[in-house]
Amino acid sequence: EVQLVQSGAEVKKPGESLKISCKGSGYSFSTYGIGWVRQMPGKGLEWMGMIYPGDSDTIYSPSFQGQVTISVDQSISTAYLQWSGLKASDTAMFYCARRFGDDAFDFWGQGTMVTVSS
Amino acid sequence: QSALTQPPSVSGSPGQSVTISCTGTSSDLGSYNRVSWYQQPPGTAPKLLIFEVTYRPSGVPDRFSGSKSGNTASLTISGLQTEDEGDYYCSSYTTSSNWVFGGGTKLTVL
Repeated sequence: EVQLVQSGAEVKKPGESLKISCKGSGYSFSTYGIGWVRQMPGKGLEWMGMIYPGDSDTIYSPSFQGQVTISVDQSISTAYLQWSGLKASDTAMFYCARRFGDDAFDFWGQGTMVTVSS
Repeated sequence: QSALTQPPSVSGSPGQSVTISCTGTSSDLGSYNRVSWYQQPPGTAPKLLIFEVTYRPSGVPDRFSGSKSGNTASLTISGLQTEDEGDYYCSSYTTSSNWVFGGGTKLTVL
C-alpha cells in the first residue's frame, strides 16, 4: 500500500527555523517526484515545488523560490520542506504528494500544520 | 503564475448533475492536456479524481467526468450524493514546468 506519512504539527516563533518531513512507503521512492502544497487557513491549494528523489532535481514555484528549501534523503525514503526564518504568514497546512503520470498527484500525505506565532 | 479561475461555489440536489469550470491561460490549460481534479472533504487531504483531463484513477466512480476545451476545463458530477460535498480543485501543468491550482469550488448538496 502506497503511503506518505508526514511529521506532526509544529508551533514555532517568528524567525525560528523548521524542517518537516514526508516519508514514502509501499513503492519505489526514487521513481516518483514528491511535490509540496501549501493550504493557508480557509484558503485554497498552492503548489510550492517538487523534488525528484532519484537525482534530487528540484523545481520551485516562483512564489516560493528563496522562501523554502526542498530536499530528500533517498536512503530513508523521506522528503523535506524547510524554512530558515519563519514568519507569521507561514502559518498553514502543508501537504506532500506523489507525482503521477504527466500531470497529477495521486497519493497525499495527511498534512502537517505549522503555526507561527509570537 | 496566477491561480486558475473556478467559481467559488456550486450546489445541487441529490441525483442532479453539477459542472465546475476551471479557466486558465495559454501558459497552462491551453498548452497541455495535463489537467487534474481533486476533491477535498472538510479537514482531510485532497484526493485525486481526474487526471490528464478525462481519466479516473481506480476506485473513483464514473459519476465523475472531466473535459477540456481551449483554456477551460470542466468537472461534471452526475447523480449527486451527499458525500460529494466538499471543496474541489483543478490543477494544470504549465509551460514553466510548474503546477498551478484553481482557487477551489465549494460544492453543497442541498
